[in-house]
Amino acid sequence: AQKVTQAQTEISVVEKEDVTLDCVYETRDTTYYLFWYKQPPSGELVFLIRRNSFDEQNEISGRYSWNFQKSTSSFNFTITASQVVDSAVYFCALSEATGRGSYIPTFGRGTSLIVHP
Amino acid sequence: DTAVSQTPKYLVTQMGNDKSIKCEQNLGHDTMYWYKQDSKKFLKIMFSYNNKELIINETVPNRFSPKSPDKAHLNLHINSLELGDSAVYFCASSYRVNTEAFFGQGTRLTVV
Repeated sequence: AQKVTQAQTEISVVEKEDVTLDCVYETRDTTYYLFWYKQPPSGELVFLIRRNSFDEQNEISGRYSWNFQKSTSSFNFTITASQVVDSAVYFCALSEATGRGSYIPTFGRGTSLIVHP
Repeated sequence: DTAVSQTPKYLVTQMGNDKSIKCEQNLGHDTMYWYKQDSKKFLKIMFSYNNKELIINETVPNRFSPKSPDKAHLNLHINSLELGDSAVYFCASSYRVNTEAFFGQGTRLTVV
């Protein structure tokens, strides 16, 4: 079973539409960390947000917002008024303790977002 | 200044060769990683070092050997390259083992 599921393989929207990227995770740990990363067509991976399991506050950063719900093990990402520059592959990731004092990150398979002008 | 830099950016080589990818970070981070991204964009961690000590060693063929001469460097050496090794390899670093990672620009390895 996947630890991080991004069920949407590809989403296509027209500019200015709002879009939500889903992320569902699976863990037995009480302490864990969730992340979103963006990979534009140029190929680099860019960090967007980090959340720890004890902080369920939603976050807004400009047009980006994140909804963390432990009850449904979800950490969804919404882009408001999408722009062509938002076109990228977006990865959700989960970091869990290894029991040896370290954490191991697991990435979802990514959602490819295409924003058409 | 580039925070995490890896070289080379592109590497084309024949099967059976040995090659190395170098990675350096100037962020003062304690933890460094190697990830492999396959043709379907799936990202998987290969290794992680914390303060020069190997802390994560996922199921990777032992033809792959990481080397960390100091906290700022984590190189990846690959012996006897195979066609299936073709992928993009990303180096990354993080302040601590549970904080966000900063990635290099990737090395596209093509084995022919």
